[in-house]
Amino acid sequence: NAGVTQTPKFQVLKTGQSMTLQCAQDMNHNSMYWYRQDPGMGLRLIYYSASEGTTDKGEVPNGYNVSRLNKREFSLRLESAAPSQTSVYFCASSESAGGLTDTQYFGPGTRLTVL
Amino acid sequence: GNSVTQMEGPVTLSEEAFLTINCTYTATGYPSLFWYVQYPGEGLQLLLKATKADDKGSNKGFEATYRKETTSFHLEKGSVQVSDSAVYFCALKSRSGGYQKVTFGTGTKLQVIP
Repeated sequence: NAGVTQTPKFQVLKTGQSMTLQCAQDMNHNSMYWYRQDPGMGLRLIYYSASEGTTDKGEVPNGYNVSRLNKREFSLRLESAAPSQTSVYFCASSESAGGLTDTQYFGPGTRLTVL
Repeated sequence: GNSVTQMEGPVTLSEEAFLTINCTYTATGYPSLFWYVQYPGEGLQLLLKATKADDKGSNKGFEATYRKETTSFHLEKGSVQVSDSAVYFCALKSRSGGYQKVTFGTGTKLQVIP
């Protein structure tokens, strides 16, 4: 099992460019998440998908869109990148967003720099 | 709202030293508590968890006890190794509508020197 995979690992964009971060999981999990990690701020939830066909906003959704393509895949799109979106992005999955004891499994991250 | 406060890092210890990383939380209801570890260049992975008061989570020599009276979940290890060098995140999970929201602390970097 590969677990949670993310592509690309690194990306440099210019302000105003767009890009899509890809995430896939092979654990048959129902729920998937996108976080960003910034120094001194821990992880903040951007969007999540509790189940296939649903998506909801997290704490910091502005400037992002998501697509739950199927049960395995959950993509994050930046339509017009801004320097404030320079961050490390993590995708995660879990069996259920509604489980209080549920563990989240994380991908290796995408390091994005916006110039 | 919910919050998790961790001790500031970095923490530098010699091999075989005793480790404590403090974590306190604020939450409504009865959250579950987690410690995640992030090794350099990797994503977070679960280290241990506790789901109710007085529970002790343990894994790989690390332990943490869910203390509701002090709203704490401090991480301890009796003898650290160089391979324990990583960033450690305390987190809690509580109900927010139909979604069990996860709140992470800011992380504590641990460096263990030989």
